[in-house]
Amino acid sequence: QVQLQQWGAGLLKPSETLSLTCAVYGESFSGYYWSWIRQPPGKGLEWIGEINHYGTTNYNPSLKSRVTISVDTSKNQFSLKLSSVTAADTAVYYCARDLRFLDPKYYYYYYYMDVWGKGTTVTVSS
Amino acid sequence: DIRMTQSPSSLSASVGDRVTITCRASQSIFSYLNWYQQNPGKAPKLLIYAASSLQSGVPSRFSGGGSGTDFTLTISSLQPEDFATYYCQQTYSTPRTFGQGTKVEIK
Repeated sequence: QVQLQQWGAGLLKPSETLSLTCAVYGESFSGYYWSWIRQPPGKGLEWIGEINHYGTTNYNPSLKSRVTISVDTSKNQFSLKLSSVTAADTAVYYCARDLRFLDPKYYYYYYYMDVWGKGTTVTVSS
Repeated sequence: DIRMTQSPSSLSASVGDRVTITCRASQSIFSYLNWYQQNPGKAPKLLIYAASSLQSGVPSRFSGGGSGTDFTLTISSLQPEDFATYYCQQTYSTPRTFGQGTKVEIK
């Protein structure tokens, strides 16, 4: 059964770079998209971006200038970097597997996140 | 970005009640809509994908419907473990946006 284990620094100062890694266990890394999502305290979910095993990425335009998602297929890991953090980046960050299948009617892909990491709390404070 | 609006933002219900949560998209998203359940301090859990497909292992009291811009999540008979926050998410286009959430509380 696939499991995601994530880790990274939990306390940052403004202007520093957030760095998180998510390791995939129990399943092939190939053939899927892998996503990052965040949730500020007491608020809803925000999709940050995704990557596949080829390194193809999609980012949320609101974060695109500061975000880099990368993949290390040799370790079955993918990572998130968010530069120039501020207090507004304080959140719980989740990694997730993004399954997709082709809609035969429209030749368009359905996506859904079926496995999630437990989350990493990141606080930005001076 | 496609805006997703859920209603209500919160509701109070009793065990055994039938509960329906609505999600409206700012433009047509066909059936590219997922529903997640989140308990406090936990990661979200996938309930429904492609608007109406039940994720494996999810109880059959959960069902999803709708297409285009209007969608529903229905819990046919609320159980104690169902008191949680529910989010819809559109995957028709990036960024894959979520609704603001609906908190289901015990009456």
